[in-house]
Amino acid sequence: NAGVTQTPKFQVLKTGQSMTLQCAQDMNHEYMSWYRQDPGMGLRLIHYSVGAGITDQGEVPNGYNVSRSTTEDFPLRLLSAAPSQTSVYFCASSYSKAGARSPLHFGNGTRLTVT
Amino acid sequence: AQTVTQSQPEMSVQEAETVTLSCTYDTSESDYYLFWYKQPPSRQMILVIRQEAYKQQNATENRFSVNFQKAAKSFSLKISDSQLGDAAMYFCAYRSELRPDTGNQFYFGTGTSLTVIP
Repeated sequence: NAGVTQTPKFQVLKTGQSMTLQCAQDMNHEYMSWYRQDPGMGLRLIHYSVGAGITDQGEVPNGYNVSRSTTEDFPLRLLSAAPSQTSVYFCASSYSKAGARSPLHFGNGTRLTVT
Repeated sequence: AQTVTQSQPEMSVQEAETVTLSCTYDTSESDYYLFWYKQPPSRQMILVIRQEAYKQQNATENRFSVNFQKAAKSFSLKISDSQLGDAAMYFCAYRSELRPDTGNQFYFGTGTSLTVIP
């Protein structure tokens, strides 16, 4: 069972570079999301999607872009990397139409360093 | 927006002893779910336990149990017979039942780092 597949595991970027973090899930989840994890700040929501073609901003969306062309995929794009974007990023998915009972299923995370 | 507070950034416990991690939340809603996640050094996020707000009975999963006090908006996690493998960051999370437009968004606390002392 693949679950949520997130790539890459590690990435180093120079300031100003762009890149895409890939996320795919095979559980037919409606809800997909991206979080960043920083020490002492927990998990902060960047963007989320409640279905194909629908995306919305979370708590810290600036500098990031997302799209949801299929149910399975939800890539996160860093448009012009900045040192403040150094963090651990998680993709996560869940059922949502059936209510709130379903937990979030997480990818294994990406450690991104921007120099 | 709902807020979730974990007031203990770090906790420690002796192996085989019991430890309780605190979590409080702020909401005006009556229908919601609460979760505890474990994040070991491997960085993987693992679901530990889930509690439905409409259930008075506290959830239990093997050595893990919760003390859910709805009126006090408190959701603590008790780990019994602590093992070295329990060492991890623990996150408390809230999920609304009433916001399908946001996918019933999750709200996380800032985490408690648990050390298990041999």
